[in-house]
Amino acid sequence: DIVLTQSPGTLSLSPGERAILSCRASQSVSNNYLVWYQQKPGQAPRLLIYGASTRAAGIPDRFTGSGSETDFTLTISRLEPEDFAVYYCQQYGSSPRTFGPGTKVEI
Amino acid sequence: EQLVESGGDVVQPGRSLRLSCAASGFTFSNYAMHWVRQAPGKGLEWVALIIYDGSNKYYADSVKGRFTISRDNSKNTLFLHMNSLTTEDTAIYYCARGYSYGVSWGRGTLVTVSS
Repeated sequence: DIVLTQSPGTLSLSPGERAILSCRASQSVSNNYLVWYQQKPGQAPRLLIYGASTRAAGIPDRFTGSGSETDFTLTISRLEPEDFAVYYCQQYGSSPRTFGPGTKVEI
Repeated sequence: EQLVESGGDVVQPGRSLRLSCAASGFTFSNYAMHWVRQAPGKGLEWVALIIYDGSNKYYADSVKGRFTISRDNSKNTLFLHMNSLTTEDTAIYYCARGYSYGVSWGRGTLVTVSS
């Protein structure tokens, strides 16, 4: 199974700052098949990015996904108050689909 | 588009439970569906996948042989039959639409396994 490691575990920032979240895979993710989700307390995850860099429908352009093979990044260019949440990466290049442990972005 | 899970409950170890996920707002029979769970305060864990017509099913090793995913396309409903439950199965269970990843998700249903 591909193991995904996310860093940092917690990111403490202020509104307007830039957030850079890392997701590293234990082996190359086939075709860069990696997604990012956002989850707020008490809510279901929301799809942000698929294919490592394509924004899902309705996702603001301050969210940018990048990377390839084993190293992926989610960048939030200017944090809005509603962006404080936990972010998960997930790979779908091989079975089973696996998730990272998450990065919490807090104020 | 809406996904609504139900069936979560408090059950004793070794017992069984069936979860349901009612879908609306899209053509349910065209899409693969997942179950994903989240233990209290923990991250996400993929549980099972069923393709659009139910002919292929896939499971995480942690539930293989104990859980069964199924669907009724005539009723736009996804199911998860869970047998031999253990305390490790305590989690919020989400259904999600999509084959490779969850494009849309329900709000989840809580399963608590406790004696």
